[in-house]
Amino acid sequence: DGGITQSPKYLFRKEGQNVTLSCEQNLNHDAMYWYRQDPGQGLRLIYYSQIVNDFQKGDIAEGYSVSREKKESFPLTVTSAQKNPTAFYLCASSSPGQGSTEAFFGQGTRLTVV
Amino acid sequence: GQSLEQPSEVTAVEGAIVQINCTYQTSGFYGLSWYQQHDGGAPTFLSYNALDGLEETGRFSSFLSRSDSYGYLLLQELQMKDSASYFCAVSLLGDYKLSFGAGTTVTVRA
Repeated sequence: DGGITQSPKYLFRKEGQNVTLSCEQNLNHDAMYWYRQDPGQGLRLIYYSQIVNDFQKGDIAEGYSVSREKKESFPLTVTSAQKNPTAFYLCASSSPGQGSTEAFFGQGTRLTVV
Repeated sequence: GQSLEQPSEVTAVEGAIVQINCTYQTSGFYGLSWYQQHDGGAPTFLSYNALDGLEETGRFSSFLSRSDSYGYLLLQELQMKDSASYFCAVSLLGDYKLSFGAGTTVTVRA
């Protein structure tokens, strides 16, 4: 089935460690996104990518890094520079260039830093 | 940047109608989308407006006024399963950036 997959679902890390969250899609979408969601809050854009080997900072990019080496994959690294990394991370994809504005979301990764 | 405002909470009874407003400030506005998210789950797409007017999809309708930088989501014949958070999101012209509002929590009571 087509979809967007995030792994792992739950992730625990010690403070000061970098951690990489996986996001894979088989929808042939050009655009991919990473959002952060804190309890009771909205979705804040971290990074987005419109095409392979290109990405742009969102509203809260500090302390995060991404890569887009393949169309299907858009991993997010939470670095030790991110001061408050504990949150729910959502990955999404869409294909605006093909006239579709609908974004499809993965099930999310809940990161806890202790 | 982009700025979106929507009410934080709405409570209504089963069978009622709820309207969730969204006002936005952005340059290069292209369209307004709505998403539903149940607690702990992934957001799912509900509707999209690029032109002024009303779009109807079953019990849910969405409206846009570009001149007023305003839109709303109308939930009709509310059901208990409609208890969730609802987000508006803006798309930009010539850019794939998709920015979300803080969300409105809808609680449906029996």
